Amino acid sequence: AQSVTQLDSHVSVSEGTPVLLRCNYSSSYSPSLFWYVQHPNKGLQLLLKYTSAATLVKGINGFEAEFKKSETSFHLTKPSAHMSDAAEYFCVVSVRSGGYNKLIFGAGTRLAVHP
Amino acid sequence: GAGVSQTPSNKVTEKGKYVELRCDPISGHTALYWYRQSLGQGPEFLIYFQGTGAADDSGLPNDRFFAVRPEGSVSTLKIQRTERGDSAVYLCASSSAGDWNEQFFGPGTRLTVL
Repeated sequence: AQSVTQLDSHVSVSEGTPVLLRCNYSSSYSPSLFWYVQHPNKGLQLLLKYTSAATLVKGINGFEAEFKKSETSFHLTKPSAHMSDAAEYFCVVSVRSGGYNKLIFGAGTRLAVHP
Repeated sequence: GAGVSQTPSNKVTEKGKYVELRCDPISGHTALYWYRQSLGQGPEFLIYFQGTGAADDSGLPNDRFFAVRPEGSVSTLKIQRTERGDSAVYLCASSSAGDWNEQFFGPGTRLTVL
């Protein structure tokens, strides 16, 4: 069965410092992986996706993630945090079934950014 | 263009009552999904529609939950005999046809069962 584990429920960084949000996945076949962001009172927004192309994936707002099969990881990084990055982040694996993708979400990591 | 919209944004009801939650997907999107997000958790899949039919309802927790999409556009999630444990944010998403197409999420309906 497919699943994801987000290793940190809360991460706190200072503005201008790097961000690292950790995610490990479990999948019986080559997975498709995503990171979504959820700002308060707003809908979930796709940050980036990995679908078996390049292992280093670049997303919106300066975020990127690297797929590491040997470590079953898909960590999200950003070189320099902005105050506007404060939000809830979800690592997601996709279950492929009959031409659509059912998304399996991790429990989320809340990112706080301090001045 | 307009995104996915959901109404109402908030719904407070009493235990045992019936509720309906509405989702308006992005125009032209044939795929529609419902998810439920409990406090402190990630969203969990409930049901998937391709057109008018429910192609996968394996995530519905029990027979009190039902969803329809009669004309292949707007969808309604219906919950009978609500229980306090049904309190959550119910999210709707839509996508165009095909594998790996991005699911666009609505802002959700926060349901509180007293």
